[in-house]
Amino acid sequence: DQQVKQNSPSLSVQEGRISILNCDYTNSMFDYFLWYKKYPAEGPTFLISISSIKDKNEDGRFTVFLNKSAKHLSLHIVPSQPGDSAVYFCAASQGAQKLVFGQGTRLTINP
Amino acid sequence: EAGVAQSPRYKIIEKRQSVAFWCNPISGHATLYWYQQILGQGPKLLIQFQNNGVVDDSQLPKDRFSAERLKGVDSTLKIQPAKLEDSAVYLCASSLYGGFSTDTQYFGPGTRLTVL
Repeated sequence: DQQVKQNSPSLSVQEGRISILNCDYTNSMFDYFLWYKKYPAEGPTFLISISSIKDKNEDGRFTVFLNKSAKHLSLHIVPSQPGDSAVYFCAASQGAQKLVFGQGTRLTINP
Repeated sequence: EAGVAQSPRYKIIEKRQSVAFWCNPISGHATLYWYQQILGQGPKLLIQFQNNGVVDDSQLPKDRFSAERLKGVDSTLKIQPAKLEDSAVYLCASSLYGGFSTDTQYFGPGTRLTVL
């Protein structure tokens, strides 16, 4: 049972434009959501998070939006840079319980 | 600050053989996690330790997988005997407290296991 889904395995965006990565979840009890970024041969690194009491959180070029009624979150990167090329995982948790990860989306930023 | 260390980085074994992975978390981090990431999937938690006690091992295949964190610092994950479907990247992560969802997990580079 895939509780967290990233339906786009890959996304290609031109440098300077906006990248939008999407994530859907099925468990309405999830109350904390995160995005991790992974480069090849490295472990995932934490990028940004959002609590279920908010619908938006910003950190520099990165903004995460949460739509609880649709059970959907998205990560916006503006403007996209070549160094943003990586695999992005969304993850969710309920209380202090384990993180549940999506399958990942490979983002490629083209010059 | 040194990150999470893992070794070996790569391992190739035959099915039915045994293998062990080692992890040294960030100094002072109470909670240590082992994840399995199969190609094309996200990381899946196998086991979570808080200090040297097990918090969650509900997804650990206990008939073949074992893990220990004897002194509450570094940890080993063992597979005995390995199956073809165990081919994956095994990620270790640590966090400062672990009892809160907002406690950031820091990941090591992983060990890529190939079972032939």
